Amino acid sequence: AQRVTQPEKLLSVFKGAPVELKCNYSYSGSPELFWYVQYSRQRLQLLLRHISRESIKGFTADLNKGETSFHLKKPFAQEEDSAMYYCALRSGGYNKLIFGAGTRLAVHP
Amino acid sequence: EAGVAQSPRYKIIEKRQSVAFWCNPISGHATLYWYQQILGQGPKLLIQFQNNGVVDDSQLPKDRFSAERLKGVDSTLKIQPAKLEDSAVYLCASRPVGREETQYFGPGTRLLVL
Repeated sequence: AQRVTQPEKLLSVFKGAPVELKCNYSYSGSPELFWYVQYSRQRLQLLLRHISRESIKGFTADLNKGETSFHLKKPFAQEEDSAMYYCALRSGGYNKLIFGAGTRLAVHP
Repeated sequence: EAGVAQSPRYKIIEKRQSVAFWCNPISGHATLYWYQQILGQGPKLLIQFQNNGVVDDSQLPKDRFSAERLKGVDSTLKIQPAKLEDSAVYLCASRPVGREETQYFGPGTRLLVL
């Protein structure tokens, strides 16, 4: 079965601390993974995708096929990073997205 | 460019009543999605349109939910009759043609069924 698991509902850190939001997936084919973010009172939006191998707002994520993981990392958290983060898996030929339950990141001053 | 528009933003109804949501995708986007997001969960795809044709409605509860995109632009999602468990945020998203393109989400409609 195709599934995305985000084990943490809430991750609370202090400003300047490193952040790692965990994402594990289950998929039989070659996976395409994404991180979406929703800031307070804003729309859900794409943060980054694994095929781009880019850093957005200081965040990076590496696809580890052996561990079936796609963890999101940032070395120094900022207060403006506080948001809901969703890991998503693209499935099928019509680009359907399967989302995890999300992790709320709270960065405290 | 203007983003995906949805209305209404909020709706409160009683169980067994009917409700309809409207979505206007970004101009030129061929693919349109409706998601249901129950509190504490991630968005779950209900139905996906390519232009005015349905390409995936495998998770749409067809006994009570229906959706259409008659002219390949705007779309409506209807629930008839509503149940308590339909309380959720209903998100619309659109995407242009091209495998590398991303989905753009609307602000959502928050439905509360009493």
